[in-house]
Amino acid sequence: GAGVSQTPSNKVTEKGKYVELRCDPISGHTALYWYRQSLGQGPEFLIYFQGTGAADDSGLPNDRFFAVRPEGSVSTLKIQRTERGDSAVYLCASSPGLVPDTQYFGPGTRLTVL
Amino acid sequence: QKEVEQDPGPLSVPEGAIVSLNCTYSNSAFQYFMWYRQYSRKGPELLMYTYSSGNKEDGRFTAQVDKSSKYISLFIRDSQPSDSATYLCAMISYNAGNMLTFGGGTRLMVKP
Repeated sequence: GAGVSQTPSNKVTEKGKYVELRCDPISGHTALYWYRQSLGQGPEFLIYFQGTGAADDSGLPNDRFFAVRPEGSVSTLKIQRTERGDSAVYLCASSPGLVPDTQYFGPGTRLTVL
Repeated sequence: QKEVEQDPGPLSVPEGAIVSLNCTYSNSAFQYFMWYRQYSRKGPELLMYTYSSGNKEDGRFTAQVDKSSKYISLFIRDSQPSDSATYLCAMISYNAGNMLTFGGGTRLMVKP
C-alpha cells in the first residue's frame, strides 16, 4: 500500500507570504504528526492529531503556525507571514493510533523562505 | 542542554566494519526508544524499537538500552555502503503522549 505522501515536495516563497503544506497519511491511520527538521538537526515535534482533533499542539512555535485535519485523514499545515527562520523540511508521520506507536514518515516538504 | 544528545559525526568506516552509534538522554520519563535511518532528502525510516533495558537484535542491527545510565546504542555488523545515511535516535516519554523526541543525528559513511 501507499505510504505517507506530502505535497509539494519543494516550496519557495517570499518573506511575509502564506503557505500551506499537505499531508496524506497511510489509509486507516488515526494518528498524524507534524515535525520540522532544520539542516543538520533532528526533527522537532510540532503537533499531533488523533482523529480530527489536535491532541497536542505544544510544539507549534507561535500563532503564525496552524494545522487542521477536518475529516480525520488529510492534514494541512498552514504558516502565515512566513519568515526566513521558517525555512526547513516539514515532515509528516502517521501511525495506527496506539500508545506507544510506530510512526511512519513521509518524504517531507522542503520550505525555503527568501 | 538538549534532552537527547547525539554525536553528529561524520563517522567514516570501511565496508565490513562494526559500527557503534550512541545517544544519551536526560529525561528519566523516556520509556520507549527507537532508531531511525534517514537517507539524504528522504523521510526517517524506523529501524529498531525497544522498551526495556537490554539488547534487541534484528539481522545486522542490535539495539541496546541502559536506562540506569540513560544511554542507548545501535550496533551495525558487517556494514555496507548502502548503510551510509544519517542515524537518528528517538524517544517517547510515558507522560507525553506519542510525540517523538529526536537526537540530532549521526552521519555515517561506509566506504567500499
